[in-house]
Amino acid sequence: QQQVKQSPQSLIVQKGGISIINCAYENTAFDYFPWYQQFPGKGPALLIAIRPDVSEKKEGRFTISFNKSAKQFSLHIMDSQPGDSATYFCAASLYNFNKFYFGSGTKLNVKP
Amino acid sequence: DGGITQSPKYLFRKEGQNVTLSCEQNLNHDAMYWYRQDPGQGLRLIYYSQIVNDFQKGDIAEGYSVSREKKESFPLTVTSAQKNPTAFYLCASTAEWQGNTGELFFGEGSRLTVL
Repeated sequence: QQQVKQSPQSLIVQKGGISIINCAYENTAFDYFPWYQQFPGKGPALLIAIRPDVSEKKEGRFTISFNKSAKQFSLHIMDSQPGDSATYFCAASLYNFNKFYFGSGTKLNVKP
Repeated sequence: DGGITQSPKYLFRKEGQNVTLSCEQNLNHDAMYWYRQDPGQGLRLIYYSQIVNDFQKGDIAEGYSVSREKKESFPLTVTSAQKNPTAFYLCASTAEWQGNTGELFFGEGSRLTVL
């Protein structure tokens, strides 16, 4: 059973637009929800993360929105740029970080 | 520079051969992980280790083996029992959970192709 479900699988956005990627999780014991960004041929790198005690976290153009009751969280990329073109993974883990569960990934293409 | 080093970056293997992927970290992290990434799929956990000389199976451990003899090193062996080993393999580490951010640090990956 997939612990974290991510959508869409791919996304095309015009430069300057808003990119939105959604994730849903099953386990209410999850305590940490990061987003990772991966460029081709590279390992993923942490982009932004949130804990369930807040509903939103913003870092520059990147915002996580968290809905605990719906067990959903999403990544919003404002003013999307061609350099944002990458694959994005949401993830979830328990409080002790001993195991991370990843979504299936979203390939974002920002058109100039 | 602190980080995770994976080698080799590219590896070709004939069917029936075992192959070992190297993962070394100088971040002084306790926990280390191996993930497998296939096109269009997320990262699937193969094995993880939270302390030296101890490791646990992840979701897709069959056909793989690991060791953790040193804190810095967590090599992965892809055995001939792994039915479909062609994939991109990622090693990661994170600090002990108390007081850390939970951030996973990844290496640049090893791409294994079985001929």
